[in-house]
Amino acid sequence: NAGVTQTPKFQVLKTGQSMTLQCAQDMNHEYMSWYRQDPGMGLRLIHYSVGAGITDQGEVPNGYNVSRSTTEDFPLRLLSAAPSQTSVYFCASSYDRISYEQYFGPGTRLTVT
Amino acid sequence: DQQVKQNSPSLSVQEGRISILNCDYTNSMFDYFLWYKKYPAEGPTFLISISSIKDKNEDGRFTVFLNKSAKHLSLHIVPSQPGDSAVYFCAASAGGAGSYQLTFGKGTKLSVIP
Repeated sequence: NAGVTQTPKFQVLKTGQSMTLQCAQDMNHEYMSWYRQDPGMGLRLIHYSVGAGITDQGEVPNGYNVSRSTTEDFPLRLLSAAPSQTSVYFCASSYDRISYEQYFGPGTRLTVT
Repeated sequence: DQQVKQNSPSLSVQEGRISILNCDYTNSMFDYFLWYKKYPAEGPTFLISISSIKDKNEDGRFTVFLNKSAKHLSLHIVPSQPGDSAVYFCAASAGGAGSYQLTFGKGTKLSVIP
């Protein structure tokens, strides 16, 4: 199993550009989520999904869109990048809810200039 | 307003000794708590969890203690090993183990000195 994979590892965007951060898992996990981590901060939940076709907002959803068309994939879209979105983004998955171990991807480091 | 607080940004411990990492929370609705470990350039990995119906949970060298009246939990690592050097995040949820959302603390960087 590859576990949770994220692409790209690094990305630099200009303000106003859009892009999609990719996340995939091969463990047949129902629950997937996106977090951002800023310097000196804990992880903050952006969006999550409890299964294909079902998504919901987390703590900091503004400026981001998600969709879940398959169990395996959970892409995160930045519609119009802003410098405040400079962060490290982590995707995670688990069999079900948080009581099950969440597996995190290695992260995508995004810089918006 | 931080609901999960890890007030020590860093901690240094000699190899073989006990490491104690602390976490305080303010939301009385939190009833399920987890610890994650993170190495540089990697994603966090799950370490141990505890439900509010317990006051202690052990897994090998790792023990988590929960004091609900003080809204405080701690992670004990005994004995500490150099490989334990990492950032440790405390996380909490309301709605028990069935919740979908976690609130994380800012983390404590543990350095275990050989």
